[in-house]
Amino acid sequence: DAGVIQSPRHEVTEMGQEVTLRCKPISGHNSLFWYRQTMMRGLELLIYFNNNVPIDDSGMPEDRFSAKMPNASFSTLKIQPSEPRDSAVYFCASIFPGPGNNEQFFGPGTRLTVL
Amino acid sequence: GEDVEQSLFLSVREGDSSVINCTYTDSSSTYLYWYKQEPGAGLQLLTYIFSNMDMKQDQRLTVLLNKKDKHLSLRIADTQTGDSAIYFCAEKRGGYQKVTFGIGTKLQVIP
Repeated sequence: DAGVIQSPRHEVTEMGQEVTLRCKPISGHNSLFWYRQTMMRGLELLIYFNNNVPIDDSGMPEDRFSAKMPNASFSTLKIQPSEPRDSAVYFCASIFPGPGNNEQFFGPGTRLTVL
Repeated sequence: GEDVEQSLFLSVREGDSSVINCTYTDSSSTYLYWYKQEPGAGLQLLTYIFSNMDMKQDQRLTVLLNKKDKHLSLRIADTQTGDSAIYFCAEKRGGYQKVTFGIGTKLQVIP
Protein backbone atom coordinates (compact mmCIF):
# COMPACT_ATOMS: atom_id res chain seq x y z
CA ASP A 1 0.00 0.00 0.00
CA ALA A 2 1.19 3.52 -0.73
CA GLY A 3 0.27 4.78 2.70
CA VAL A 4 -1.91 7.80 3.42
CA ILE A 5 -1.84 10.13 0.43
CA GLN A 6 -2.33 13.88 0.72
CA SER A 7 -2.52 16.52 -1.95
CA PRO A 8 -1.28 19.04 -2.64
CA ARG A 9 1.99 18.82 -0.71
CA HIS A 10 2.37 22.59 -0.79
CA GLU A 11 -0.22 25.29 -1.28
CA VAL A 12 0.34 29.02 -1.44
CA THR A 13 -2.73 31.19 -1.73
CA GLU A 14 -3.91 34.68 -1.03
CA MET A 15 -6.12 35.72 1.83
CA GLY A 16 -9.78 35.29 0.99
CA GLN A 17 -9.30 32.42 -1.43
CA GLU A 18 -10.84 28.99 -0.97
CA VAL A 19 -8.44 26.17 -0.16
CA THR A 20 -9.22 22.46 -0.49
CA LEU A 21 -6.93 19.83 0.97
CA ARG A 22 -7.35 16.19 -0.01
CA CYS A 23 -6.64 12.90 1.67
CA LYS A 24 -6.79 9.26 0.66
CA PRO A 25 -6.55 6.92 3.66
CA ILE A 26 -4.98 3.50 3.60
CA SER A 27 -7.34 0.95 2.09
CA GLY A 28 -9.27 -0.92 4.78
CA HIS A 29 -8.80 1.77 7.43
CA ASN A 30 -12.13 2.97 8.78
CA SER A 31 -11.21 6.04 10.80
CA LEU A 32 -9.71 9.24 9.42
CA PHE A 33 -8.29 12.22 11.28
CA TRP A 34 -7.40 15.77 10.23
CA TYR A 35 -4.72 17.58 12.24
CA ARG A 36 -3.12 20.99 12.05
CA GLN A 37 0.47 21.57 13.16
CA THR A 38 1.95 24.95 14.04
CA MET A 39 5.00 26.02 16.02
CA MET A 40 2.90 27.76 18.62
CA ARG A 41 0.16 25.20 19.21
CA GLY A 42 1.76 21.92 18.21
CA LEU A 43 -0.47 19.22 16.75
CA GLU A 44 -4.19 19.94 17.01
CA LEU A 45 -6.96 17.51 16.13
CA LEU A 46 -9.47 19.28 13.91
CA ILE A 47 -11.98 16.53 13.16
CA TYR A 48 -12.21 12.79 12.83
CA PHE A 49 -14.48 10.39 10.97
CA ASN A 50 -15.45 6.83 11.72
CA ASN A 51 -16.93 4.85 8.82
CA ASN A 52 -17.26 8.13 6.87
CA VAL A 53 -19.33 9.77 9.63
CA PRO A 54 -17.94 12.81 11.50
CA ILE A 55 -17.59 11.85 15.15
CA ASP A 56 -15.85 14.81 16.77
CA ASP A 57 -15.45 18.19 15.08
CA SER A 58 -14.86 20.17 18.25
CA GLY A 59 -11.37 21.07 17.08
CA MET A 60 -12.53 22.83 13.92
CA PRO A 61 -11.52 26.46 14.50
CA GLU A 62 -14.56 28.18 13.07
CA ASP A 63 -17.18 28.09 10.37
CA ARG A 64 -14.62 28.83 7.71
CA PHE A 65 -13.42 25.25 8.08
CA SER A 66 -15.41 22.29 6.79
CA ALA A 67 -14.56 18.64 6.20
CA LYS A 68 -16.26 15.88 4.27
CA MET A 69 -15.75 12.20 3.72
CA PRO A 70 -18.03 11.15 0.86
CA ASN A 71 -16.66 7.62 0.78
CA ALA A 72 -14.17 5.35 2.53
CA SER A 73 -11.30 6.31 0.28
CA PHE A 74 -11.48 10.10 0.15
CA SER A 75 -11.76 13.10 2.44
CA THR A 76 -11.46 16.85 1.98
CA LEU A 77 -10.74 19.74 4.32
CA LYS A 78 -11.90 23.07 2.99
CA ILE A 79 -11.11 26.56 4.23
CA GLN A 80 -13.26 29.36 2.85
CA PRO A 81 -12.24 32.15 3.04
CA SER A 82 -8.64 31.50 4.02
CA GLU A 83 -6.72 33.83 6.34
CA PRO A 84 -2.98 34.23 7.05
CA ARG A 85 -3.42 32.64 10.50
CA ASP A 86 -4.50 29.43 8.77
CA SER A 87 -0.92 28.94 7.58
CA ALA A 88 0.21 25.60 8.97
CA VAL A 89 0.95 22.02 8.03
CA TYR A 90 -2.21 19.95 7.77
CA PHE A 91 -1.96 16.22 8.32
CA CYS A 92 -4.37 13.44 7.58
CA ALA A 93 -4.11 10.12 9.43
CA SER A 94 -6.01 6.85 9.32
CA ILE A 95 -6.30 3.79 11.52
CA PHE A 96 -7.25 0.16 11.06
CA PRO A 97 -10.48 -0.92 12.74
CA GLY A 98 -10.60 -3.15 15.79
CA PRO A 99 -9.37 -3.21 19.37
CA GLY A 100 -5.76 -2.72 20.22
CA ASN A 101 -3.24 0.04 20.09
CA ASN A 102 -4.75 1.59 16.96
CA GLU A 103 -1.59 2.99 15.45
CA GLN A 104 -2.29 6.14 13.46
CA PHE A 105 -0.72 6.24 10.03
CA PHE A 106 0.04 9.79 8.98
CA GLY A 107 0.25 11.25 5.52
CA PRO A 108 3.16 13.50 4.53
CA GLY A 109 1.13 16.64 5.20
CA THR A 110 0.11 19.70 3.19
CA ARG A 111 2.05 22.86 3.94
CA LEU A 112 -0.37 25.76 3.54
CA THR A 113 0.78 29.34 3.27
CA VAL A 114 -1.84 32.08 3.15
CA LEU A 115 -0.44 35.45 2.12
CA GLY B 1 -10.02 17.04 30.05
CA GLU B 2 -7.07 15.33 28.50
CA ASP B 3 -3.75 17.10 28.50
CA VAL B 4 -0.29 15.91 27.55
CA GLU B 5 2.77 17.98 28.40
CA GLN B 6 6.38 17.65 27.38
CA SER B 7 9.42 19.87 27.17
CA LEU B 8 10.12 21.58 23.86
CA PHE B 9 13.78 20.90 23.32
CA LEU B 10 16.58 18.47 24.21
CA SER B 11 20.16 18.50 23.06
CA VAL B 12 22.54 15.54 23.53
CA ARG B 13 25.91 14.44 22.19
CA GLU B 14 26.15 11.54 19.82
CA GLY B 15 26.66 8.30 21.74
CA ASP B 16 25.02 9.58 24.92
CA SER B 17 21.60 8.52 26.14
CA SER B 18 18.58 10.74 25.57
CA VAL B 19 15.64 10.86 27.93
CA ILE B 20 12.46 12.56 26.84
CA ASN B 21 9.80 13.06 29.48
CA CYS B 22 6.05 13.49 29.32
CA THR B 23 3.19 13.94 31.76
CA TYR B 24 -0.48 13.34 31.10
CA THR B 25 -3.62 14.01 33.04
CA ASP B 26 -6.16 11.40 31.95
CA SER B 27 -6.13 8.56 34.47
CA SER B 28 -8.26 6.51 32.06
CA SER B 29 -5.49 6.40 29.47
CA THR B 30 -5.07 2.88 28.18
CA TYR B 31 -2.33 3.31 25.61
CA LEU B 32 0.63 5.65 25.79
CA TYR B 33 2.59 6.31 22.62
CA TRP B 34 5.78 7.80 21.34
CA TYR B 35 5.67 9.07 17.77
CA LYS B 36 8.64 10.39 15.80
CA GLN B 37 8.49 13.14 13.19
CA GLU B 38 11.43 13.68 10.87
CA PRO B 39 11.78 16.99 9.00
CA GLY B 40 9.20 17.44 6.27
CA ALA B 41 7.37 14.24 7.10
CA GLY B 42 4.35 13.01 9.00
CA LEU B 43 4.45 11.32 12.37
CA GLN B 44 5.40 7.66 12.65
CA LEU B 45 4.71 5.40 15.58
CA LEU B 46 7.95 4.60 17.37
CA THR B 47 6.66 2.52 20.24
CA TYR B 48 3.75 2.25 22.65
CA ILE B 49 3.04 0.85 26.08
CA PHE B 50 -0.15 -0.52 27.54
CA SER B 51 -1.19 1.12 30.79
CA ASN B 52 -0.77 -2.05 32.87
CA MET B 53 2.93 -2.20 32.03
CA ASP B 54 5.77 -0.38 33.78
CA MET B 55 8.44 -0.78 31.17
CA LYS B 56 8.92 -1.77 27.57
CA GLN B 57 12.24 -2.23 25.83
CA ASP B 58 12.79 -2.39 22.10
CA GLN B 59 16.43 -2.39 20.99
CA ARG B 60 17.79 1.07 21.83
CA LEU B 61 14.45 2.32 23.10
CA THR B 62 13.18 1.99 26.68
CA VAL B 63 9.78 3.28 27.70
CA LEU B 64 9.04 3.78 31.38
CA LEU B 65 5.54 4.40 32.70
CA ASN B 66 4.74 5.63 36.18
CA LYS B 67 0.99 5.41 36.24
CA LYS B 68 0.67 6.83 39.74
CA ASP B 69 2.45 10.04 38.73
CA LYS B 70 1.09 9.90 35.16
CA HIS B 71 4.63 10.17 33.85
CA LEU B 72 5.98 8.60 30.69
CA SER B 73 9.56 8.65 29.47
CA LEU B 74 11.44 7.54 26.40
CA ARG B 75 15.10 6.65 26.70
CA ILE B 76 17.20 6.31 23.57
CA ALA B 77 20.50 4.57 24.20
CA ASP B 78 23.60 5.41 22.13
CA THR B 79 21.85 8.33 20.45
CA GLN B 80 22.76 8.78 16.79
CA THR B 81 22.50 11.81 14.50
CA GLY B 82 19.68 10.00 12.69
CA ASP B 83 17.66 10.20 15.90
CA SER B 84 17.38 13.97 15.48
CA ALA B 85 13.65 14.59 15.13
CA ILE B 86 10.59 15.75 17.02
CA TYR B 87 9.22 13.19 19.47
CA PHE B 88 5.54 13.28 20.41
CA CYS B 89 4.05 11.76 23.51
CA ALA B 90 0.41 10.71 23.12
CA GLU B 91 -2.33 8.91 25.01
CA LYS B 92 -5.58 7.17 24.23
CA ARG B 93 -8.41 5.58 26.12
CA GLY B 94 -9.34 2.05 25.26
CA GLY B 95 -12.33 1.82 22.95
CA TYR B 96 -11.90 5.41 21.80
CA GLN B 97 -10.32 6.45 18.52
CA LYS B 98 -9.16 9.90 19.56
CA VAL B 99 -5.49 10.28 20.50
CA THR B 100 -4.25 13.30 22.44
CA PHE B 101 -0.77 14.45 21.45
CA GLY B 102 1.75 16.55 23.32
CA ILE B 103 3.38 19.53 21.65
CA GLY B 104 6.49 17.54 20.76
CA THR B 105 10.11 17.56 21.98
CA LYS B 106 12.74 18.48 19.42
CA LEU B 107 15.80 16.28 19.92
CA GLN B 108 19.05 17.67 18.58
CA VAL B 109 21.99 15.28 18.43
CA ILE B 110 25.38 16.95 18.32
CA PRO B 111 28.08 14.99 16.47
